[in-house]
Amino acid sequence: GDSVTQMEGPVTLSEEAFLTINCTYTATGYPSLFWYVQYPGEGLQLLLKATKADDKGSNKGFEATYRKETTSFHLEKGSVQVSDSAVYFCALVAGTASKLTFGTGTRLQVTL
Amino acid sequence: NAGVTQTPKFRVLKTGQSMTLLCAQDMNHEYMYWYRQDPGMGLRLIHYSVGEGTTAKGEVPDGYNVSRLKKQNFLLGLESAAPSQTSVYFCASSWIGKINEQFFGPGTRLTVL
Repeated sequence: GDSVTQMEGPVTLSEEAFLTINCTYTATGYPSLFWYVQYPGEGLQLLLKATKADDKGSNKGFEATYRKETTSFHLEKGSVQVSDSAVYFCALVAGTASKLTFGTGTRLQVTL
Repeated sequence: NAGVTQTPKFRVLKTGQSMTLLCAQDMNHEYMYWYRQDPGMGLRLIHYSVGEGTTAKGEVPDGYNVSRLKKQNFLLGLESAAPSQTSVYFCASSWIGKINEQFFGPGTRLTVL
């Protein structure tokens, strides 16, 4: 079946550090890939998405590139802020349904 | 627009009690979903609906029932709550199509004693 594997957290960084959160996937066909973010006490929000190989999704300084050859969709940001502290979920949709398959989430803590 | 709302926000049940969680969306979305979120396990799909009057099982449907009598509402029922159902429950909705964003509600924290 479809699955998403994320690096375990928590990831602790100082403000302005470079961020990478790894995500790899297994899926049939050509999935669409997503990063969702969950701020403390809130529901998930879509951060960015990519729908085909080599697409780059970007939003709020975050980027991720759909790499079909390595089945990866790593999240990056050049300079994190304290306000980026949250849990980040990688997810995919495969086949004809709209059902998301989530990774386990990676908690990011950014300190001053 | 309120987006996706969930009622209640918190609830404590005793084992064997029943309850219904309500999800409402005002975006005219066709698809609606119920997830549970547990530490170290991410979000897992319980049930989903692709339209009014239709429901389908997700990854972890046992112990839950759902109904979608109106397009804007999706109800999740626990007939006989168990401690294993202690979790945070999220509802989401989306347009038709796999590339479309799912919009999430704020969650319901349920504790079963």
